[in-house]
Amino acid sequence: GAGVSQTPSNKVTEKGKYVELRCDPISGHTALYWYRQSLGQGPEFLIYFQGTGAADDSGLPNDRFFAVRPEGSVSTLKIQRTERGDSAVYLCASSLRRAASTDTQYFGPGTRLTVL
Amino acid sequence: AQSVTQLGSHVSVSEGALVLLRCNYSSSVPPYLFWYVQYPNQGLQLLLKYTTGATLVKGINGFEAEFKKSETSFHLTKPSAHMSDAAEYFCAVSSTGANSKLTFGKGITLSVRP
Repeated sequence: GAGVSQTPSNKVTEKGKYVELRCDPISGHTALYWYRQSLGQGPEFLIYFQGTGAADDSGLPNDRFFAVRPEGSVSTLKIQRTERGDSAVYLCASSLRRAASTDTQYFGPGTRLTVL
Repeated sequence: AQSVTQLGSHVSVSEGALVLLRCNYSSSVPPYLFWYVQYPNQGLQLLLKYTTGATLVKGINGFEAEFKKSETSFHLTKPSAHMSDAAEYFCAVSSTGANSKLTFGKGITLSVRP
């Protein structure tokens, strides 16, 4: 079956611009996560959705970052006024059940964001 | 708060040799522990996970890991390395609470010499 997909695979933008990153989770998965992976580091948690609502957004670094999941499926991560420090690979993951820590998170291939 | 320590950034072994990748965690509550692998230009893939029950966990591709509470460790092993095992490996922890976010270590790159 289809896995988690993310678009675009690569995004190059200029400092100060706005970007949107899209995640299509596995069909039927209710939980969706965004992580950010900087060079030489492990993924870092950004935000977690249960259905349409953000259950935990404690990992968002500041108010330039925002994410939505209006219909409980596709999610969009939005970054305003991009900075060079935002350059990273943004990963999306989904899992089947509500708030179940034992469930496997399935990761997409990521979007590599480069801010010039 | 939870954290994961993966000592060293790179491990090199000969084909057929034992693979040992170390992971230590810190958690104030009973942890769930995971190992993920990332092959070049691919997404993270789950190798194995420990939730409850048997502390020796077997995963895909011949890998296994043992949860040792007294040592706060979850080291990953494979008896005989194969060239196709070359990849980056991440250890991660989540809590048993409602929030199932993963906290990852920095990762270890495994190289396999012919």
